[in-house]
Amino acid sequence: EAGVAQSPRYKIIEKRQSVAFWCNPISGHATLYWYQQILGQGPKLLIQFQNNGVVDDSQLPKDRFSAERLKGVDSTLKIQPAKLEDSAVYLCASSWTGERDNSPLHFGNGTRLTVT
Amino acid sequence: AQSVSQHNHHVILSEAASLELGCNYSYGGTVNLFWYVQYPGQHLQLLLKYFSGDPLVKGIKGFEAEFIKSKFSFNLRKPSVQWSDTAEYFCAVNGGGGFKTIFGAGTRLFVKA
Repeated sequence: EAGVAQSPRYKIIEKRQSVAFWCNPISGHATLYWYQQILGQGPKLLIQFQNNGVVDDSQLPKDRFSAERLKGVDSTLKIQPAKLEDSAVYLCASSWTGERDNSPLHFGNGTRLTVT
Repeated sequence: AQSVSQHNHHVILSEAASLELGCNYSYGGTVNLFWYVQYPGQHLQLLLKYFSGDPLVKGIKGFEAEFIKSKFSFNLRKPSVQWSDTAEYFCAVNGGGGFKTIFGAGTRLFVKA
């Protein structure tokens, strides 16, 4: 099966600029996740969608981050304006979610963002 | 709130040495437990998982993990590591409603040939 696709792989921007990341999950996976991984730390969940609805966005800095999954398939994560502390790898993952919440996550290669 | 603690941030071993990476979690209810691995230049991928049943689970490439409920632990083991096991290993926990998966900080393993 095709994996989770993410683009771009790398992005360098200046602080206060905006940036957008794109993710296409594995076909048939209802749940899509965006994680932020700062160097030396584990992935931190930013937002989780089930189909096109938001399940959890409690750790998303909503004053500057936004995400959407309009048709329940691919998703876009945006940062506007970016801060230096947003430098991280942004990981997209997807999972098949049925009645049980134990589906493993399938990750994309991530987007490495550097804010200067 | 759930949390995951991985005891070692960096581990260096020689080939054929035994490996044990510690993972403890805090959550009082039923949990699903995972170990993910990220090889250099590759994406995170599932190594093994525990949902229920036999607390000793086996994964790919000779890895295994043991769930000890009384200790809130899910340690990863391998009897004899290889140079190709050099990677970063993440313990993850999913518990309660909302399907939220929480990751530990990761352990970087370097195996010397």
